Amino acid sequence: QKEVEQDPGPLSVPEGAIVSLNCTYSNSAFQYFMWYRQYSRKGPELLMYTYSSGNKEDGRFTAQVDKSSKYISLFIRDSQPSDSATYLCAMGPGNTGKLIFGQGTTLQVKP
Amino acid sequence: DGGITQSPKYLFRKEGQNVTLSCEQNLNHDAMYWYRQDPGQGLRLIYYSQIVNDFQKGDIAEGYSVSREKKESFPLTVTSAQKNPTAFYLCASSLADSYNEQFFGPGTRLTVL
Repeated sequence: QKEVEQDPGPLSVPEGAIVSLNCTYSNSAFQYFMWYRQYSRKGPELLMYTYSSGNKEDGRFTAQVDKSSKYISLFIRDSQPSDSATYLCAMGPGNTGKLIFGQGTTLQVKP
Repeated sequence: DGGITQSPKYLFRKEGQNVTLSCEQNLNHDAMYWYRQDPGQGLRLIYYSQIVNDFQKGDIAEGYSVSREKKESFPLTVTSAQKNPTAFYLCASSLADSYNEQFFGPGTRLTVL
């Protein structure tokens, strides 16, 4: 079993939809949780950075962490065609820099 | 502009040859990282360095080597010992008080012919 599991998709939604992207993990020591957006053939871009459980909101994006269920989510409201990309979750046990990444979910937002 | 640069963007190599990928950052970040990304897989850590003249192996270091002689630079050498080197290579950097908050370069796509 992989330490971090992420549904690869692809996920296709109409413009304006609410998108939910999810990752599950097995290591209860993980405390830091990140979401990255990666456009085709580009480097990943850090979207959200959270510590421990709870919610964090930034514009149309909300990151949610449920450590009791070992489950994290990224919600995108009012999705736009420019949101079409691969979304990667990443996590780590402490401030070590040794992150474990999910395999990424490919999202397509259709106009 | 502050950022991370990787060169070249595309690289072709014959089997049996070593090749060096460049990574430079002007963000004054302390730590630097190398990842490998294969289709349908997440990023896997090759090497990382939290301070100049020091570096540690990541999860898949076999067949790779690095150096960190300057804070701004962290070159990665893919040696002929790496059995399956064709991949997308990504360099990242971060500050010491937030190692997990990593910022990535544009990547180098290496193809072994």
